[in-house]
Amino acid sequence: SAVISQKPSRDICQRGTSLTIQCQVDSQVTMMFWYRQQPGQSLTLIATANQGSEATYESGFVIDKFPISRPNLTFSTLTVSNMSPEDSSIYLCSCPGKTGNEQYFGPGTRLTVT
Amino acid sequence: AQSVTQLGSHVSVSEGALVLLRCNYSSSVPPYLFWYVQYPNQGLQLLLKYTSAATLVKGINGFEAEFKKSETSFHLTKPSAHMSDAAEYFCAVSDLNQGGSEKLVFGKGTKLTVNP
Repeated sequence: SAVISQKPSRDICQRGTSLTIQCQVDSQVTMMFWYRQQPGQSLTLIATANQGSEATYESGFVIDKFPISRPNLTFSTLTVSNMSPEDSSIYLCSCPGKTGNEQYFGPGTRLTVT
Repeated sequence: AQSVTQLGSHVSVSEGALVLLRCNYSSSVPPYLFWYVQYPNQGLQLLLKYTSAATLVKGINGFEAEFKKSETSFHLTKPSAHMSDAAEYFCAVSDLNQGGSEKLVFGKGTKLTVNP
């Protein structure tokens, strides 16, 4: 299984500011995924990030709010822009496993917007 | 679009008792199904997965799940609960994202409490 790290692990931000979350995988992967887990809720896919192409966003998520970079096969960033308290969530990145359709997850970034 | 329903947002069992966490999926064809566990302040860990090889799937930490097509279910069980099993458990199904590649759709989760 892949080992995934995320930075920062948590942050408290003021509304109107932006935060960039980093995700690092210990092996090369074609796709990386970004999920949001709102307080007490399940995970919702924000976007799929392929290296060398624009990220694919799910319904309800837009690039201006959640710009994503994928500069190489082991790294991705997600920016949460112009934050509001409703953006307070855990943000997790993941990548596919090699043997099937499973995904492996990073430890998450716990974001609080005040 | 695929979806999963987890019955019971909270389940409480005694240590040593049977653990049963329920998951039903919506799909006309056998999907890929997964159970993940999330311990407090941690990411998700894959417990087990169903990929059509066998209907009874064994995972880590003594958990197993049985795929029942007739009931569209994929319930998670463990014969004897341990205090360390206290966590939130998510059932997930594979689906296609907006770009046509695979993604996971998660249920709302079931929080398991184990009482001494």
